[in-house]
Amino acid sequence: DGGITQSPKYLFRKEGQNVTLSCEQNLNHDAMYWYRQDPGQGLRLIYYSQIVNDFQKGDIAEGYSVSREKKESFPLTVTSAQKNPTAFYLCASSQGFSYEQYFGPGTRLTVT
Amino acid sequence: KQEVTQIPAALSVPEGENLVLNCSFTDSAIYNLQWFRQDPGKGLTSLLLIQSSQREQTSGRLNASLDKSSGRSTLYIAASQPGDSATYLCAVIEYGNKLVFGAGTILRVKS
Repeated sequence: DGGITQSPKYLFRKEGQNVTLSCEQNLNHDAMYWYRQDPGQGLRLIYYSQIVNDFQKGDIAEGYSVSREKKESFPLTVTSAQKNPTAFYLCASSQGFSYEQYFGPGTRLTVT
Repeated sequence: KQEVTQIPAALSVPEGENLVLNCSFTDSAIYNLQWFRQDPGKGLTSLLLIQSSQREQTSGRLNASLDKSSGRSTLYIAASQPGDSATYLCAVIEYGNKLVFGAGTILRVKS
């Protein structure tokens, strides 16, 4: 069963704690992406990676960090420096440049 | 900086109606444009991808058009059904395969 998995579906953290969101794909895609969605807004790009061991900042990278040590995995860490971390986080992947992006089911993070 | 606007923000129609969702973008230097569907609390499902050299794409009851010069795209849904109720998102695809999204149109089809 090919696809993108994100875990967990719901995540709760206390303010000041770092938290890591998981994203795994078995589509053999080269590129992976992280987006954030807030109520009533479109998705905004946090980080993206075109190949293993390489990644670039998106439009709202402050307070986030990523790694891309394996082709199939692209974890996102929400650090305590992120001022408003409560949001719905979506991971995506694509075969490569100019190819269609496929999205995971998302993780809803709530920080109190 | 690219900005994507979707009109209307919300739409409620009776079952069976044909409807049009609008998407506009400020910078015509895009590679492709993509329409997505999102159900509440779920991820995105790709509906149609229009490459910059194309003017439209069709899939079943869905038809999407693209006019790069005017910075506009429309998603046409024929014979709407209650199962079409969802949020529809438009995204332009820029260099580096970066997507810039609109805020979406919330569609409700009443039975």
